[in-house]
Amino acid sequence: AQTVTQSQPEMSVQEAETVTLSCTYDTSENNYYLFWYKQPPSRQMILVIRQEAYKQQNATENRFSVNFQKAAKSFSLKISDSQLGDTAMYFCAFLGANSKLTFGKGITLSVRP
Amino acid sequence: GAGVSQTPSNKVTEKGKYVELRCDPISGHTALYWYRQSLGQGPEFLIYFQGTGAADDSGLPNDRFFAVRPEGSVSTLKIQRTERGDSAVYLCASSTTSSNTGELFFGEGSRLTVL
Repeated sequence: AQTVTQSQPEMSVQEAETVTLSCTYDTSENNYYLFWYKQPPSRQMILVIRQEAYKQQNATENRFSVNFQKAAKSFSLKISDSQLGDTAMYFCAFLGANSKLTFGKGITLSVRP
Repeated sequence: GAGVSQTPSNKVTEKGKYVELRCDPISGHTALYWYRQSLGQGPEFLIYFQGTGAADDSGLPNDRFFAVRPEGSVSTLKIQRTERGDSAVYLCASSTTSSNTGELFFGEGSRLTVL
């Protein structure tokens, strides 16, 4: 079974600065997808970024980028130029052959003005 | 609708009562998922449908939980004899396919409180 570990329960960053959220996972599969989802107080999960395991190039979406280390099973999210609207819970998630998205416990990110 | 719609948004019930939670997925999405999110935790998989059939119900915690999707669109999660431990946010998500290409579209969830 796959597991996803987010060991930091919460982080805080100053507006306009950069922050990195950590995630590790465990799997015996070779082909899979990794995601970062954002969950604001509205409760709706919003996809931030996706990485295919077979791609060596790290995914980037505007201010969001990942550092994907397949051998180390590490998948961190970097948020550049943090904005107040980035305040939310962030979940790392794994999708493998069984089509079930497995989430980590999440991290609460606070952006300070 | 434009997105995944879940009703009710909030439900308060008493221990032992029966509850139904409804999910209306994005039109045309064949795969539908139910997740349960307890306070301070990540969502946990309950069940997923491909069309009308439950392709995987291995996450349902016990036989008090049941879900249906009779016409391959709207789904209902049913909880019998509710217990205080069932209190959580129940999230529904849909996607165009159950294959491993990624994005699930989530609703805003139904918060269930069992007193």
